Amino acid sequence: QVQLQESGPGLVKPSETLSLTCTVSGGSISSYYWTWIRQPPGMGLEWIGFISKSGSTNNNPSLKSRVTISVDTSKNQFSLNLSSVTAADTAMYYCARTNSGYDPQKFYYYYYMDVWGKGTTVTVSS
Amino acid sequence: SYELTQPLSVSVALGQTARITCGGNNIGSKNVHWYQQKPGQAPVLVIYRDDNRPSGIPERFSGSNSGNTATLTISRAQAGDEADYYCQVWDSTFWVFGGGTKLTVL
Repeated sequence: QVQLQESGPGLVKPSETLSLTCTVSGGSISSYYWTWIRQPPGMGLEWIGFISKSGSTNNNPSLKSRVTISVDTSKNQFSLNLSSVTAADTAMYYCARTNSGYDPQKFYYYYYMDVWGKGTTVTVSS
Repeated sequence: SYELTQPLSVSVALGQTARITCGGNNIGSKNVHWYQQKPGQAPVLVIYRDDNRPSGIPERFSGSNSGNTATLTISRAQAGDEADYYCQVWDSTFWVFGGGTKLTVL
C-alpha cells in the first residue's frame, strides 16, 4: 500500500524559500505523476503544481515562477521549493500521487489524486 | 480562467440523500473528481472521472456529470459523512478546485 509523508521546516521567514520533501513508500515513484497542493487555514484547496513521469512540470500560474518541483528517483522522493514566501503562503501543504489518462469519448486529458500524504503545516513569519 | 461553483453548505437528514453540485461552463465535457475532507485530515478521493468509486468507498457515494453541472450524491447519509467536499477538474493546463461544500448530517 503506497504511503506518502511530507517533511520540512514548519516555520519559514518572509522572503526566504520554503522547501518540502515528500517520501513515497510502498511503491515506485517512476510510474505516476506527483502533485503538491496547499490549503490556507480555514480555506479551500489550491493546486501548486505537479511533476510528470518524464520529469516535466506544470505549475499554478498564480504562483508564477516561484515554484520548483523536482524528483529524486533514487530516494523515491519528490520536492517542492517555493521562493520569496510571504504570510499568504502560510498553509497546510499536501503531496499526492496523481493518476493521469485520456478520455477518448470526451477528447479530454484527466488527472486526479488517489493517495495523499497527511500534510505538513508551514507558517511564514519572522 | 475556468471556475467551479459549489454551494457553501448542504444539510441532509440522517438516512436521507444528499446532493452536492459543482457548476462550471460545459463541465460535462470534462472529467470531474470529488474529494472528501474531514476536519484535521487530508482529503480522500471518493469519486473519479465523473462516476467511478475508488476501492473502499461505499456504494452510497455516486457521481454524475452533464451539461453545466456535476453532482455528488450520497445515499443513506450517515453521521460519518459530515465533511467538506471538493470537486476538481483539469482545464487545459492547470487544475481547478471548487470552493468546497460543507455537508451537515442532521
